[in-house]
Amino acid sequence: DAGVTQSPTHLIKTRGQQVTLRCSPKSGHDTVSWYQQALGQGPQFIFQYYEEEERQRGNFPDRFSGHQFPNYSSELNVNALLLGDSALYLCASSFVGHSTDTQYFGPGTRLTVL
Amino acid sequence: AQKVTQAQTEISVVEKEDVTLDCVYETRDTTYYLFWYKQPPSGELVFLIRRNSFDEQNEISGRYSWNFQKSTSSFNFTITASQVVDSAVYFCALSEENRDDKIIFGKGTRLHILP
Repeated sequence: DAGVTQSPTHLIKTRGQQVTLRCSPKSGHDTVSWYQQALGQGPQFIFQYYEEEERQRGNFPDRFSGHQFPNYSSELNVNALLLGDSALYLCASSFVGHSTDTQYFGPGTRLTVL
Repeated sequence: AQKVTQAQTEISVVEKEDVTLDCVYETRDTTYYLFWYKQPPSGELVFLIRRNSFDEQNEISGRYSWNFQKSTSSFNFTITASQVVDSAVYFCALSEENRDDKIIFGKGTRLHILP
């Protein structure tokens, strides 16, 4: 049973560029959440996707956008990259219809903005 | 507002010692979930436990135990007979309304188990 997978593992970009990160949820899961984890901090919720729509959003600017595909996989897009966007980006999946389920996290994508 | 505080930034103990990681939370909801996650150097967050706000029973899983005290808004985590493999960053977290929709994490406690 494959867990949550993310690609790429590492990414280096320069200020002003745009980046797309990808996530495939755990088998049987239909909901994907994205988190940003700056160095030395806990993860911060960016947004969540369910049924191909953004369901909840944290305190992140519109430069952060996402998408969910019919197969439940998801993308996180960040435009006009800033140095402060350097972080580990974590994807988590869950099954919204299962009240006892919880979110399972992928290994993350480490983004460095130069 | 929701908030999770892990006052211990970093802890070092010698292998086989017991260690307790503290967690204090704030929420205005009466229904919420509390979590502990482990983050080894590889970076992946490993789920350890989820506790419903209505269930104040303490839980033990092998060398791990959790003490949930609603009266003090605390959800502490104890590792008994620590091992080097327990070295990691541990996060306490909270979600409200009995759903995992949005998890609020503490800043984490970095645990070093010395051989």
